[in-house]
Amino acid sequence: SAVISQKPSRDICQRGTSLTIQCQVDSQVTMMFWYRQQPGQSLTLIATANQGSEATYESGFVIDKFPISRPNLTFSTLTVSNLSPEDSSIYLCSVEGGGGDTQYFGPGTRLTVL
Amino acid sequence: DAKTTQPPSMDCAEGRAANLPCNHSTISGNEYVYWYRQIHSQGPQYIIHGLKNNETNEMASLIITEDRKSSTLILPHATLRDTAVYYCIVIETSGSRLTFGEGTQLTVNP
Repeated sequence: SAVISQKPSRDICQRGTSLTIQCQVDSQVTMMFWYRQQPGQSLTLIATANQGSEATYESGFVIDKFPISRPNLTFSTLTVSNLSPEDSSIYLCSVEGGGGDTQYFGPGTRLTVL
Repeated sequence: DAKTTQPPSMDCAEGRAANLPCNHSTISGNEYVYWYRQIHSQGPQYIIHGLKNNETNEMASLIITEDRKSSTLILPHATLRDTAVYYCIVIETSGSRLTFGEGTQLTVNP
């Protein structure tokens, strides 16, 4: 399985600012995914990020609010822009790895917006 | 991807087997059944997956009915650390999005 790290692990941000979350994998992977988990709820896919192409966003998520970079096969960033308290969530990245189709998840970034 | 139905919560005594059911009656022939769990505030952890045959690994066993319309995840000797939300997910192919339902909150009691 792939080993995934995220930075920061948690942050408290002011309304109107932005937070960039980093996701680092210990091996080269083609597909990376970003999910959001709002308090008390299940995970929702934000977008799929493939190296060398634009991220594909799910319904209800837009690039202006959640810009994603994927500069190489081991790294991706998700920025949550123009923060509001409704953005308070856990943000998780996942990758397909381990030689198969299984997705593995990072530990998550807990964002609190005041 | 096919929709899954799971009970919202279950309890299990420590040391006993935990049997978590999942219904996926609209599953198609090329869709896999995946199980993940999420211990409080951590990232989801992959447990096991299968297509048709029963599967076993160091964490659990997966029993899929012959018609593939339901499955059961078995934790043979549950421990307190197995307390988590367990998600049953049906997906077709590599690169498919994982659609998480509400899952089953398993509580293992001492």
